[in-house]
Amino acid sequence: QVQLVQSGAEVKKPGASVKVSCKASGYTFTGHYIHWVRQAPGQGLEWMGWITPDSGGTNFAQKFQGRVAMTRDTSIRTAYMELSRLRSDDTAVYYCAKEEALWSGYLDVWGQGTTVTVSS
Amino acid sequence: QSVLTQTPSASGTPGQRVTISCSGSSSNIGSNTVNWYQQLPGTAPKLLIYSNNQRPSTVPDRFSGSKSGASASLAISGLQSEDEADYYCAAWDDSLNGRVVFGGGTKLTVL
Repeated sequence: QVQLVQSGAEVKKPGASVKVSCKASGYTFTGHYIHWVRQAPGQGLEWMGWITPDSGGTNFAQKFQGRVAMTRDTSIRTAYMELSRLRSDDTAVYYCAKEEALWSGYLDVWGQGTTVTVSS
Repeated sequence: QSVLTQTPSASGTPGQRVTISCSGSSSNIGSNTVNWYQQLPGTAPKLLIYSNNQRPSTVPDRFSGSKSGASASLAISGLQSEDEADYYCAAWDDSLNGRVVFGGGTKLTVL
């Protein structure tokens, strides 16, 4: 079945970087954008950006410009999101999600989430 | 501050019909389709409605969506206790090279 499986929880110190992986299975990896969405404790969903696994093209929310990178390795069907210069307010659950129809925001499959805790 | 606007909370008793609204602008809901997500406590969001009013095959027909202009709504009929969750609207936004925008979420309580 179509599935996205994310890497495990991380604890980082302020100023460090974190890299979260998202392994896809059950569909054509290069045929669908992957989006990254985060959710701070008790807060709503916040869109971070997308990557097109075909070409590696990306677009990021303005808030994260200069601090986020999204990459992919098509040989192992895995997308990555790296956030640098971490702050305490980056503590959140980070989700990857597959976009079913191009430029629709229609995210039909989600990863299980990766908890990132930033604490000194 | 979310780009799409939702009322923070809603409630109903079992069997009732409740409606959750979502408002946006011409660059998102006004020109693109709306999707709705359900998030149960401690779990990842789940797609509930896509393309304004389409349901994935696993979603009961008690859930329905509609859109008019730059606003959309989600209706839940025959409310059940397991419907207690957070509901988010989302849409593609044509600004800033294309992005997904979310509402702030509506917490639905089944009394």
